Amino acid sequence: KNQVEQSPQSLIILEGKNCTLQCNYTVSPFSNLRWYKQDTGRGPVSLTIMTFSENTKSNGRYTATLDADTKQSSLHITASQLSDSASYICVVSPNTGNQFYFGTGTSLTVIP
Amino acid sequence: DGGITQSPKYLFRKEGQNVTLSCEQNLNHDAMYWYRQDPGQGLRLIYYSQIVNDFQKGDIAEGYSVSREKKESFPLTVTSAQKNPTAFYLCASSRDRVAAEAFFGQGTRLTVV
Repeated sequence: KNQVEQSPQSLIILEGKNCTLQCNYTVSPFSNLRWYKQDTGRGPVSLTIMTFSENTKSNGRYTATLDADTKQSSLHITASQLSDSASYICVVSPNTGNQFYFGTGTSLTVIP
Repeated sequence: DGGITQSPKYLFRKEGQNVTLSCEQNLNHDAMYWYRQDPGQGLRLIYYSQIVNDFQKGDIAEGYSVSREKKESFPLTVTSAQKNPTAFYLCASSRDRVAAEAFFGQGTRLTVV
């Protein structure tokens, strides 16, 4: 069964600190994995995309990693800011059809 | 500028009423989707459409209906048959190719009063 699991479910960190969010998936055959940021009451916005051949990709203070062998991805946020407070959703697409498999998200709260 | 527009942002419905959520995109995307988001749960697929005049049920289609008369528009009707309609609804679109990126609207929060 195609599934995406994220951990932790929620996280509180101090402003300026780093954090890492985890995503494990069983989606097969794998095509790509995206991390989305969803602010409260808004639609998700794509942060990064990882394909099978990529193992690291950065977008400013966000760095995503992918281990396609173990089917794990992480999103590392450096020097967190208050505006990073949001839900981060891992989305995996197989290489057949227009399908998306969503994780339940990690709710990140950055406090001053 | 290009994007997906959902309206209204907030919607209140009395029990027993049907309501229609609007979703319009000007990205020239063939595929469009409706998702429901509840607290602590991932996005769940209600309906999707890959081409005009064609749509398919998702995982939780009961109590919902859609139409796709135009490429740009994919309205969702929440009928009185939907037992627990209070939720955050997201519309998305993507290019009609495998593993294309999904672009989301800003969502509609529906509350039954």
